Amino acid sequence: DGGITQSPKYLFRKEGQNVTLSCEQNLNHDAMYWYRQDPGQGLRLIYYSQIVNDFQKGDIAEGYSVSREKKESFPLTVTSAQKNPTAFYLCASSIVGQGREDEQFFGPGTRLTVL
Amino acid sequence: KQEVTQIPAALSVPEGENLVLNCSFTDSAIYNLQWFRQDPGKGLTSLLLIQSSQREQTSGRLNASLDKSSGRSTLYIAASQPGDSATYLCAVRPGGSYIPTFGRGTSLIVHP
Repeated sequence: DGGITQSPKYLFRKEGQNVTLSCEQNLNHDAMYWYRQDPGQGLRLIYYSQIVNDFQKGDIAEGYSVSREKKESFPLTVTSAQKNPTAFYLCASSIVGQGREDEQFFGPGTRLTVL
Repeated sequence: KQEVTQIPAALSVPEGENLVLNCSFTDSAIYNLQWFRQDPGKGLTSLLLIQSSQREQTSGRLNASLDKSSGRSTLYIAASQPGDSATYLCAVRPGGSYIPTFGRGTSLIVHP
């Protein structure tokens, strides 16, 4: 089955600690995205990547970092610089290119809680 | 900057009703529009994708229409069921960008 996996499902972080959220896809998609979702707010883009070894900041990149060393993997690190990281984090992917469907697919999410 | 608004924010209906969820956007120069469903604590599930050249898409009891000139899309749910209870989000992808803009969603409850 093709799809997007995120791990862990739940993550707890202590103050001052860096944590990494995993996102893997086997859809052979070029583009991958990280979003943050808070209650009562829409999805906000953290980072996105169109190709391997390239990524761009989204609207709320401060306190986060990413890497894209492989096409199928796009891990997100929440650093201690992110002052309010408690949220639901969603990873997505899509095909890149005009004339393609460009449908976006999402993983099941990781809920991060700061203790 | 593209803004996407979904009305109503919440909706509660009895089972069997036909429903219309609305999505409006401010910039008509879009590449596509996608409707999603999100269950509590879960990721988003793609329901329908409408390209800018299309007027509507259908999947089972769902029908999504697109009117670019008026900046509107509607998601029609026929014969609603309790299993349709979820939050429905629309996302608009502008032309020339790979980054969609999401609405805040409509929270739907269908009670037996």
